[in-house]
Amino acid sequence: DGGITQSPKYLFRKEGQNVTLSCEQNLNHDAMYWYRQDPGQGLRLIYYSQIVNDFQKGDIAEGYSVSREKKESFPLTVTSAQKNPTAFYLCASSISGTSGGELFFGEGSRLTVL
Amino acid sequence: GENVEQHPSTLSVQEGDSAVIKCTYSDSASNYFPWYKQELGKRPQLIIDIRSNVGEKKDQRIAVTLNKTAKHFSLHITETQPEDSAVYFCAASKNPLGGYNKLIFGAGTRLAVHP
Repeated sequence: DGGITQSPKYLFRKEGQNVTLSCEQNLNHDAMYWYRQDPGQGLRLIYYSQIVNDFQKGDIAEGYSVSREKKESFPLTVTSAQKNPTAFYLCASSISGTSGGELFFGEGSRLTVL
Repeated sequence: GENVEQHPSTLSVQEGDSAVIKCTYSDSASNYFPWYKQELGKRPQLIIDIRSNVGEKKDQRIAVTLNKTAKHFSLHITETQPEDSAVYFCAASKNPLGGYNKLIFGAGTRLAVHP
């Protein structure tokens, strides 16, 4: 069953802790993305990767880090430097980062900082 | 940089009525305009998209129109049904030669269709 899987679905973190959100896809897509969704603000791009071992900052990268060691995986770490980490995080993939094609989203991870 | 404004933020219609959501973009070089639907608790999914070389595209009850001169595009849903209730996001991007095609999303419109 092809798709994009995010885990965990819900996550609670204490202030000062780093947390890593998992994103795996079996669609053989080259490009992967992380978006943050806040009420009334749409989807804002955190990081993106067009190819393995390469990634670029999006519009709101401060306090986040990523890696792209495998084509299938694009984990996001929310560090303690992120000032307002409580949000809904969406991972997505597309065939290519340059073709303007469809984004396939995961079901999201909701992070709450206590 | 590119900015996408979306209106209205909420829209309530009776079943069977039409719904229109409008977006404006700032970068005249933008050439790809998708619309995503996000049902409550679910992932966003592409419902229709349009490229700058066409002015209108239809798919059953949904259509998108593009006015490049005015830099705005709209989503039209006819004969609305309760299952159309969701948050709709517009987006815009340009495709620089060999570069990354970054989507900029609007803030979303929450559509409620009442039986």
